[in-house]
Amino acid sequence: KNQVEQSPQSLIILEGKNCTLQCNYTVSPFSNLRWYKQDTGRGPVSLTIMTFSENTKSNGRYTATLDADTKQSSLHITASQLSDSASYICVVRGEGGGADGLTFGKGTHLIIQP
Amino acid sequence: SAVISQKPSRDICQRGTSLTIQCQVDSQVTMMFWYRQQPGQSLTLIATANQGSEATYESGFVIDKFPISRPNLTFSTLTVSNMSPEDSSIYLCSARKPGTTNTGELFFGEGSRLTVL
Repeated sequence: KNQVEQSPQSLIILEGKNCTLQCNYTVSPFSNLRWYKQDTGRGPVSLTIMTFSENTKSNGRYTATLDADTKQSSLHITASQLSDSASYICVVRGEGGGADGLTFGKGTHLIIQP
Repeated sequence: SAVISQKPSRDICQRGTSLTIQCQVDSQVTMMFWYRQQPGQSLTLIATANQGSEATYESGFVIDKFPISRPNLTFSTLTVSNMSPEDSSIYLCSARKPGTTNTGELFFGEGSRLTVL
């Protein structure tokens, strides 16, 4: 069964600090992996997409990594800002899931404190 | 990108009633979907809204409970019928642009938060 597990479930850090969110998946065969950011009361918005051949990709202060061998991805946030407070959802595309093979993680709820 | 508008953004409903959520996309899209997001849970796909034909429902969701319409390429509705407190959730409309099948990016509306008393 395709699964996406995210950790930690929630995280509180001080503004300006860095943090790393984890995503482990068992989706096979793998197509791509996306990280979404969901602000409170809003819909998810894509931050970045990782394909099989990509190891690292940056989008501003966000850096995603992918290890296709161990089926792990991480999202690193540098110099956190209050606006980074949100849920971060890992979504993996492969065969067997709904909506063209998408399997969603439960998300990591990140709170940035001043 | 695609801008997706949903309404209502939130509502409080009585048990046994039905509510229709509307979803409008600012451009033509190939695929439209309806998701449910319950606290602490991952997004769960309810169904794919097919233009001009019956929606395709995922396991555990049925047309009688969640009738869906999609009369054109930019608009869809989801009705939550005969509501019970267990239907209290956020309902999200999403869409995929033409030509993006391989990347799988979904654009989401802001969600409709339903509370059933």
